[in-house]
Amino acid sequence: EVQLVESGGGLVQPGGSLRLSCAASGFTFSSYDMHWVRQATGKGLEWVSAIGTAGDTYYPGSVKGRFTISRENAKNSLYLQMNSLRAGDTAVYYCARDGGYCSGGSCWGAFDIWGQGTRVTVSS
Amino acid sequence: DIQMTQSPSSLSASVGDRVTITCRASQSISSYLNWYQQKPGKAPKLLIYAASSLQSGVPSRFRGSGSGTDFTLTISSLQPEDFATYYCQQSYSTPRTFGQGTKLEIK
Repeated sequence: EVQLVESGGGLVQPGGSLRLSCAASGFTFSSYDMHWVRQATGKGLEWVSAIGTAGDTYYPGSVKGRFTISRENAKNSLYLQMNSLRAGDTAVYYCARDGGYCSGGSCWGAFDIWGQGTRVTVSS
Repeated sequence: DIQMTQSPSSLSASVGDRVTITCRASQSISSYLNWYQQKPGKAPKLLIYAASSLQSGVPSRFRGSGSGTDFTLTISSLQPEDFATYYCQQSYSTPRTFGQGTKLEIK
């Protein structure tokens, strides 16, 4: 079964750090770009970071310089190191696989597999 | 950054109705548009990718269309399990922005 399972969430004080993990199974992890997406309670989806198969990384301005995405293909694992956490980072964090749909020489990214999410609460 | 705007933000409909949700991008994104469905307490589920391609296992009553800046998701005959929140997302460039969501409720 193709599956992503997140872990590492919890309560952390403002300014603190947390490392999220995402364990992949049922597919060739190293062949896919991977993403983190978050959702604050009652709010919409916010893309947080991406890592390509070559290890290239991408971030939105809201987390750039504070969050670091990484992967360990030998362990089929994705990580998100979150530093200098703020109250506004409180959310459920999902890891997601980029299906990388290709046809006729063009490729479209879409998040086809999602984990169940892990909750991060930043509060004193 | 590309801004994605969905309308309406919420929608009430009945089982069997045909509904349409609209998504507009702040600049042309060709066909780099995805649609997701999310139910309370669950992760999002991919419905449509590349604007109009149905994800495997998704019922054919879901249809995506559009290109450039204007896109639509149509559900041809609402089923009870379709009441959820729907999000569009552009995959043309990073950041991979989402629309704000459309909550589809039972009338």
